[in-house]
Amino acid sequence: DADVTQTPRNRITKTGKRIMLECSQTKGHDRMYWYRQDPGLGLRLIYYSFDVKDINKGEISDGYSVSRQAQAKFSLSLESAIPNQTALYFCATSLGGYEQYFGPGTRLTVT
Amino acid sequence: AQSVSQHNHHVILSEAASLELGCNYSYGGTVNLFWYVQYPGQHLQLLLKYFSGDPLVKGIKGFEAEFIKSKFSFNLRKPSVQWSDTAEYFCAVNTGFQKLVFGTGTRLLVSP
Repeated sequence: DADVTQTPRNRITKTGKRIMLECSQTKGHDRMYWYRQDPGLGLRLIYYSFDVKDINKGEISDGYSVSRQAQAKFSLSLESAIPNQTALYFCATSLGGYEQYFGPGTRLTVT
Repeated sequence: AQSVSQHNHHVILSEAASLELGCNYSYGGTVNLFWYVQYPGQHLQLLLKYFSGDPLVKGIKGFEAEFIKSKFSFNLRKPSVQWSDTAEYFCAVNTGFQKLVFGTGTRLLVSP
């Protein structure tokens, strides 16, 4: 069974639509992260959370928001999707801030 | 700001060739270092990590990496690659601010 799951795995949406990507983990980790991956740019951090009451912006948070509903759940929202948010989105978890464990990713296409 | 450089963006090797992928970081303090691998269509998986101690660390699948503090480097090596090593490899650094900073990745293609 996967320790870090993401839903949906693929999503096509239109410009201006609101969309939510969800991440759940069964690892019992305290920290959760959202990244986007673009070809040639590696992974860039969008938001991260050290616990349910602690949310922090990453390097590219504009146009995104997050919610940490529980220790095991961390959602990423695009309030009004735009085409340059087309990317592969990864959720990750860690315990105490050391190595991170990644989910399978969500491929998002904004048309 | 911290940064991680991977100078080889694309590498093509034949099976049984030796591999070395470069990784340099910019940060003067204590670091934790990682190499992740992403096989086609899959998520990132941890290959190996360095926290402290022996600067030569061994990971899964025959990979190893050497931390050279004076050069701010953490290069990944494998003596003999296989077709199944075709993947994208990411170096990452944790500088104690509890966040990972990733390099831009190196795409490795191993031809049979």
